[in-house]
Amino acid sequence: AQSVTQPDIHITVSEGASLELRCNYSYGATPYLFWYVQSPGQGLQLLLKYFSGDTLVQGIKGFEAEFKRSQSSFNLRKPSVHWSDAAEYFCAVGAISSGGGADGLTFGKGTHLIIQP
Amino acid sequence: DAGVTQSPTHLIKTRGQQVTLRCSPKSGHDTVSWYQQALGQGPQFIFQYYEEEERQRGNFPDRFSGHQFPNYSSELNVNALLLGDSALYLCASRQTGAGNTIYFGEGSWLTVV
Repeated sequence: AQSVTQPDIHITVSEGASLELRCNYSYGATPYLFWYVQSPGQGLQLLLKYFSGDTLVQGIKGFEAEFKRSQSSFNLRKPSVHWSDAAEYFCAVGAISSGGGADGLTFGKGTHLIIQP
Repeated sequence: DAGVTQSPTHLIKTRGQQVTLRCSPKSGHDTVSWYQQALGQGPQFIFQYYEEEERQRGNFPDRFSGHQFPNYSSELNVNALLLGDSALYLCASRQTGAGNTIYFGEGSWLTVV
């Protein structure tokens, strides 16, 4: 069975500082990997995804993530955070469906990002 | 182009009642999934519909059922509601095919009292 671990429940970062959110996954084959962001009371917005190819993927809002198969990790990074980045961040893994897309996703429990002025 | 739309946005039900939540996928999307997100937790996959059939199911009891219509919209039905069913229910859609992005709606907040 697939699983996702986000070791950090809360992270506090000063505005303008760099950010790294950790994600480790367990999956028997090549996974589809995603990072989503959720603001309070809102749905999920996709930041970036990895399907294949280049292991360093660029996303929206200046985020990037690196897929490291040997470490089963897909950590999210941003060089300089803004106050508006404060939110809940979810890493997710999906199996490859017969049609080529991602089947039902398995999410981590999330990391709550707090930005200090 | 409207994204994934869900209704209602909020509702309150009593234990033992039944509820129906609705989802219209993003234009051009034919695959719809439902997720349950309890407070403070990550979303959990309930099931996925494609071509009006349930294609994959997560670890949820039979009280949770769904339907997909010819226009690709979908319903989630929950029978015999329990207090523990209180959660944000998220609908997600994508277009069949490799690498296609999964888009989420803003969800339906269900409170069971």
